[in-house]
Amino acid sequence: NTVMTQSPTSMFISVGDRVTMNCKASQNVGTNVDWYQQKTGQSPKLLIYGASNRYTGVPDRFTGSGSGTDFTLTISNMQAEDLAVYYCLQYNYNPTFGGGTKLELK
Amino acid sequence: EVQLVESGGGLVQPGRSLKLSCAASGFTFSNYYMAWVRQAPKKGLEWVATISTSGSRTYYPDSVKGRFTISRDNAKSSLYLQMNSLKSEDTATYYCARAILKLGHFDYWGQGVMVTVSS
Repeated sequence: NTVMTQSPTSMFISVGDRVTMNCKASQNVGTNVDWYQQKTGQSPKLLIYGASNRYTGVPDRFTGSGSGTDFTLTISNMQAEDLAVYYCLQYNYNPTFGGGTKLELK
Repeated sequence: EVQLVESGGGLVQPGRSLKLSCAASGFTFSNYYMAWVRQAPKKGLEWVATISTSGSRTYYPDSVKGRFTISRDNAKSSLYLQMNSLKSEDTATYYCARAILKLGHFDYWGQGVMVTVSS
């Protein structure tokens, strides 16, 4: 199994902040990584696919980067509506999700 | 509008079986791989199963292989998950998801259905 380790597990942020979260794969997964956003009480939503491609309708303040084993999701100019848990997913092998990064207000 | 609506959840005793359904609409169901993803209470996401467009190929993690069976009926635009030999650790919300790629890019998700395994 490919283990996806997300860091940090939680972040306290302010509106307008630049937020960076990380995901590290236990082995090379190429660019076969998605990022999902899950707000409280809702189903997950696809944000980024193929490590760096923004899904339809996703604001351009969301940026994904990385390849191999190290991946990053950046939210520039954080908005209140972005408060959520963010998960990475690798699908180079049988899919495995990271444990999530929770964004909370300071 | 793409819609995925799960049903069939509930309370079941350990060792028993349960079958989940997912009714799809708003897209050509037979053109897409489909998947089940679960989320234990207050926990993260776990991929459970994926099925090919025709249903001829299925994929599972070790945690459910041999106990769970994913299937589909393209004529009814429906996805299923047969869960046997249920364990307490199978307690979770189960989501049906559409996959753009064989094993990734889950672009639409249902609202989820709760399964509780308890005596």
